[in-house]
Amino acid sequence: GQQLNQSPQSMFIQEGEDVSMNCTSSSIFNTWLWYKQEPGEGPVLLIALYKAGELTSNGRLTAQFGITRKDSFLNISASIPSDVGIYFCAGQNGNEKLTFGTGTRLTIIP
Amino acid sequence: SAVISQKPSRDICQRGTSLTIQCQVDSQVTMMFWYRQQPGQSLTLIATANQGSEATYESGFVIDKFPISRPNLTFSTLTVSNMSPEDSSIYLCSAQYTEAFFGQGTRLTVV
Repeated sequence: GQQLNQSPQSMFIQEGEDVSMNCTSSSIFNTWLWYKQEPGEGPVLLIALYKAGELTSNGRLTAQFGITRKDSFLNISASIPSDVGIYFCAGQNGNEKLTFGTGTRLTIIP
Repeated sequence: SAVISQKPSRDICQRGTSLTIQCQVDSQVTMMFWYRQQPGQSLTLIATANQGSEATYESGFVIDKFPISRPNLTFSTLTVSNMSPEDSSIYLCSAQYTEAFFGQGTRLTVV
């Protein structure tokens, strides 16, 4: 099945730095979601976006729903060690199945 | 937010046997999903399980290998049948509310 392209594939950053990752699709979605997954756990929903151009924050996290509805961005400000994990984007239309991105693995160097 | 409880959290099974994974949600939901995930990789949808109808399987997954039950609006099971080492993976259930939420996963190792 289709997978969304996420970049970068992995990131190694210093604690305190800001992080940016994005997700692109060849088709449009009405909803974009960002999840974080830690080892041994299921994905945890971070942010949901419902409208093209929408910018939504959740603490140090900010995500945007691209104007074309074919992309989305996630930014993390002032990273801390607990931000480590794999971040997945997902696109959805209505209650149809989610289409997941390939994931961005974030590693933080103390 | 929703609480989704999956069990077992992990298991080691002999090839040729079957394992049933249970998924319990704390609030009624129509649509539930089952995924497979190799460690460090993205999620692959196995099937959609709606209460009151048969599960809908994605390409590459068949009911004989992955039978699913959905007896009510808060519970579902996925069985991995006649297991082989290739079935070793993480299996996740998900429930679709306004957004989709996930259980903690079942890590299956087949030896």
